[in-house]
Amino acid sequence: AQSVTQPDIHITVSEGASLELRCNYSYGATPYLFWYVQSPGQGLQLLLKYFSGDTLVQGIKGFEAEFKRSQSSFNLRKPSVHWSDAAEYFCAVGAGDDMRFGAGTRLTVKP
Amino acid sequence: EPEVTQTPSHQVTQMGQEVILRCVPISNHLYFYWYRQILGQKVEFLVSFYNNEISEKSEIFDDQFSVERPDGSNFTLKIRSTKLEDSAMYFCASSRKGPIFGGEAFFGQGTRLTVV
Repeated sequence: AQSVTQPDIHITVSEGASLELRCNYSYGATPYLFWYVQSPGQGLQLLLKYFSGDTLVQGIKGFEAEFKRSQSSFNLRKPSVHWSDAAEYFCAVGAGDDMRFGAGTRLTVKP
Repeated sequence: EPEVTQTPSHQVTQMGQEVILRCVPISNHLYFYWYRQILGQKVEFLVSFYNNEISEKSEIFDDQFSVERPDGSNFTLKIRSTKLEDSAMYFCASSRKGPIFGGEAFFGQGTRLTVV
């Protein structure tokens, strides 16, 4: 069965600094990978997704992610973080008719 | 922009009572899902529904849970006899294609269920 690991429970970065959130997946075939963001009290919003093709995927709000098959990773990056990026970030892998989420990484942005 | 809507936003119920959480998926979507998130924990898959039947379910989705698409627009989650540990945020989602085909799931705002 597919699974997702997000090694970092909580990350704090300064506003304007770069960001990288880690995601590792386990799946026997080619995965479909997603990053979602959840602002406090809100639902989940899709940031970006990877199905095939170019391993560097661009998403909304200036986010990008790179799929690395050799490392089973799909890390999320942003070159310059804004205070409004403070939220919970979930990596997910889709397979079959369900999608499994990682435990999430909470991002705090310092002024 | 089309969106998934969930009602109510917050439901408080007594232990042992039945609750029905309601969702209106995006109209041209074919796949429907329920997830839950216990406070401070990860988002957990409960069930997926396609072609008027359950296509996959997790170990959490036991006999106390059921889903239904009673008409062409609503998708409901019923918990027959609620337990304290059912307290969580429940998210409905829908997608035009299944995840295996790269279908992007759109999530509702969630229903916070509190069992007292």
